[in-house]
Amino acid sequence: AQSVAQPEDQVNVAEGNPLTVKCTYSVSGNPYLFWYVQYPNRGLQFLLKYITGDNLVKGSYGFEAEFNKSQTSFHLKKPSALVSDSALYFCAVSPLSGSARQLTFGSGTQLTVLP
Amino acid sequence: ETGVTQTPRHLVMGMTNKKSLKCEQHLGHNAMYWYKQSAKKPLELMFVYSLEERVENNSVPSRFSPECPNSSHLFLHLHTLQPEDSALYLCASSQEWRTGTALQETQYFGPGTRLLVL
Repeated sequence: AQSVAQPEDQVNVAEGNPLTVKCTYSVSGNPYLFWYVQYPNRGLQFLLKYITGDNLVKGSYGFEAEFNKSQTSFHLKKPSALVSDSALYFCAVSPLSGSARQLTFGSGTQLTVLP
Repeated sequence: ETGVTQTPRHLVMGMTNKKSLKCEQHLGHNAMYWYKQSAKKPLELMFVYSLEERVENNSVPSRFSPECPNSSHLFLHLHTLQPEDSALYLCASSQEWRTGTALQETQYFGPGTRLLVL
């Protein structure tokens, strides 16, 4: 069975500093990886995805994520955090050959950017 | 916004009530989903309508009943709910393509319905 681990429930970072939100996964075969963000009282917003190709994926709002196959990780990064980046971040995975119903989400990481 | 709307945004109901949640997508997608989001837990996929096929999660209680009259609309009918059913219910949609073996496409989410069962 596939799974996603977000080892940190909470990440705090000062505005202007780089941020990293960690994600590791387990899936049969090649993975299809996503990051979503959820602001208070809102649904999930798609940030970026990895299918194949370049291990560094660039997404919305200056975020990027690095796929590392040997470490089965897909960490979300941003060079300079903004207070407005404070939100709940979800990593998700499915098998590349799978269907939508096989998308598995992590439990989320609350990012707080301090002014 | 994402092109997926949900109504109502907030709902309070008693355990004996019957209510329905509505989702509408304006993206021309052919797959729609219901998720349950509870505090500090991963999103739980409840139901999928995909390429006109309904896929039901066997762990979903029968007090939740989905309906998908067409590819743009999705309902979740609720009856005799329990307090532990209080959660944020999210609808999502995606476009599934049967190209080779890849069926997966990005899911786009609505804002959710915050449900409180008293």
